[in-house]
Amino acid sequence: EVQMLESGGGLVQPGGSLRLSCAASGFTFSSYAVSWVRQAPGKGLEWVSSISGSGAATYYADSVKGRFTISRDNSNNTLYLQMNSLRAEDTAVYYCAKFPAQWLVFDFWGQGTLVTVSS
Amino acid sequence: EIVLTQSPGMLSLSPGERATLSCRASQRVSSDYLAWYQHKPGQAPRLLIYGASTRATGIPDRFSGYGSGTDFTLTITRLEPEDFAVYFCQYYGAGRSPPWTFGQGTKVEIK
Repeated sequence: EVQMLESGGGLVQPGGSLRLSCAASGFTFSSYAVSWVRQAPGKGLEWVSSISGSGAATYYADSVKGRFTISRDNSNNTLYLQMNSLRAEDTAVYYCAKFPAQWLVFDFWGQGTLVTVSS
Repeated sequence: EIVLTQSPGMLSLSPGERATLSCRASQRVSSDYLAWYQHKPGQAPRLLIYGASTRATGIPDRFSGYGSGTDFTLTITRLEPEDFAVYFCQYYGAGRSPPWTFGQGTKVEIK
């Protein structure tokens, strides 16, 4: 059974940093690209970032480019999102999600971790 | 950017009734890249439909999707108690920024 479990969310001040983790199991982690998707309060879902199975290719939404860094540790089946220079508008539930072989849809998701940016 | 607009925002129905949810794209899109998800509070979103009409593994046949061009529909033929949730559509646009966009969701609540 595929499972993805996010952690690392919390309250952080504007300008601060936070690192999210996503522990994956139930599939060959290194064979699949994975992503972060977020949902701000009262808003729809927003794709944040994706990384290839090997970690060699990374992609970011314009809203987080230069501030967020996606990475992965395939030996520990873990995905990360390093978030720097956080803004109030980054407040959201952050989900990790897996792509199937083609990067068209997200076939498995975690339950999310809440990040609140506030003074 | 492809903007997906879902309607209605909320649907109040009783178990056993039929639910019809709409997802409209801001421009003509390929049905190959249109998906639907179910999301319950505190749970992981669940892929229901991909390629506009193909059910994902394990999805009951009361869920069906269809559409083309700019208009797509998710239908739940007979609502079960576990179907009351938020449903959102998603599109993959190759070469677009961002590549993956989502509708704002339709909440199906118990009447």
